[in-house]
Amino acid sequence: SQQGEEDPQALSIQEGENATMNCSYKTSINNLQWYRQNSGRGLVHLILIRSNEREKHSGRLRVTLDTSKKSSSLLITASRAADTASYFCATDTGNQFYFGTGTSLTVIP
Amino acid sequence: GAGVSQSPSNKVTEKGKDVELRCDPISGHTALYWYRQSLGQGLEFLIYFQGNSAPDKSGLPSDRFSAERTGGSVSTLTIQRTQQEDSAVYLCASSWEWRETQYFGPGTRLLVL
Repeated sequence: SQQGEEDPQALSIQEGENATMNCSYKTSINNLQWYRQNSGRGLVHLILIRSNEREKHSGRLRVTLDTSKKSSSLLITASRAADTASYFCATDTGNQFYFGTGTSLTVIP
Repeated sequence: GAGVSQSPSNKVTEKGKDVELRCDPISGHTALYWYRQSLGQGLEFLIYFQGNSAPDKSGLPSDRFSAERTGGSVSTLTIQRTQQEDSAVYLCASSWEWRETQYFGPGTRLLVL
């Protein structure tokens, strides 16, 4: 199975609500990153959290990292229609880099 | 400054032909990454370069795939004897150092007929 897996696979919420998506991984990591991919557009980096950090904020984004459970969560507060996209977590292991299969978020106006 | 650029943006080729995909990273970025994304799928890591060196080539799908980077800058991904299953979007990214924030190019959409 994958090094990084997001959960849920798909999420649909109303504008203004919060969205939470989770990522689990298998091996020890140096850092964990979250990326967003809009339909038909490229990947954009959202936030990087290092293995010695537990929580990080950036605007409406909040990321947590629990290295004991090998999991991370991404919280988007006060969602907007423009947040509709696929969200991926990415981790490194040795000399390779793994992206999960993504969570598809739909924010309904 | 300019972001990561890739060329061509689209490539249609016939099965059995060779193709070469190019990536121009952000100036000064030492690490460069290649990924493949099939329709509706996540990203599949292919290879990364630290400078001109690729420490691990095991992510390349087959021996038909090769990659090189020269001058610590431009990289090319070559697919020989293309097959239909090679059809995908090939993404390149760069970062100032391995494991740091990656900046992605727009990708090359490859279609093998």
